[in-house]
Amino acid sequence: RKEVEQDPGPFNVPEGATVAFNCTYSNSASQSFFWYRQDCRKEPKLLMSVYSSGNEDGRFTAQLNRASQYISLLIRDSKLSDSATYLCVVWRDTGGFKTIFGAGTRLFVKA
Amino acid sequence: EPEVTQTPSHQVTQMGQEVILRCVPISNHLYFYWYRQILGQKVEFLVSFYNNEISEKSEIFDDQFSVERPDGSNFTLKIRSTKLEDSAMYFCASSPSSYNSPLHFGNGTRLTVT
Repeated sequence: RKEVEQDPGPFNVPEGATVAFNCTYSNSASQSFFWYRQDCRKEPKLLMSVYSSGNEDGRFTAQLNRASQYISLLIRDSKLSDSATYLCVVWRDTGGFKTIFGAGTRLFVKA
Repeated sequence: EPEVTQTPSHQVTQMGQEVILRCVPISNHLYFYWYRQILGQKVEFLVSFYNNEISEKSEIFDDQFSVERPDGSNFTLKIRSTKLEDSAMYFCASSPSSYNSPLHFGNGTRLTVT
């Protein structure tokens, strides 16, 4: 089983739509959680950290459910510029520290 | 804003040759990582490094790979004898602390092994 699993996508949505991505992680020792975005052939860039109480940054809302080992990202009022791959990222330290990336969910926002 | 820099941006090498990929992390960062991404595939963890030691490495990071922080600023990834399947984008990343600290990535080095 992969340590971080995501909806594979692609998600094709019109501008203005709300879209949600899900992610599960298998290692209960995971301690920190993030969403990154990656544009084609570019480096991953931090979108937002994910906190236990849930957090919002403008049009983006992230949720964490430690009991279910589940993370989500909600994008409201999608823009063309939101088209990218969204990566669920988990950090853990179980004797050695490691940041693990999910395979990503591809989003296409259409005009 | 400080950034992680990687050189070269593109490296072409022949199978069996050694390559060294270079990274300059952000100056006050203490935790360092290498990742690779084969075209069209996921970002794969290779190795984490702290206090001049490897903290964890993946199954990909076999004896052909090594990392060094030779002078307190550079962080290098060496591949001793490259194989065709080593062709990928290699990303260096750093963070100021470990827990709850996002990674800052360099622009990557595209390695092509012919």
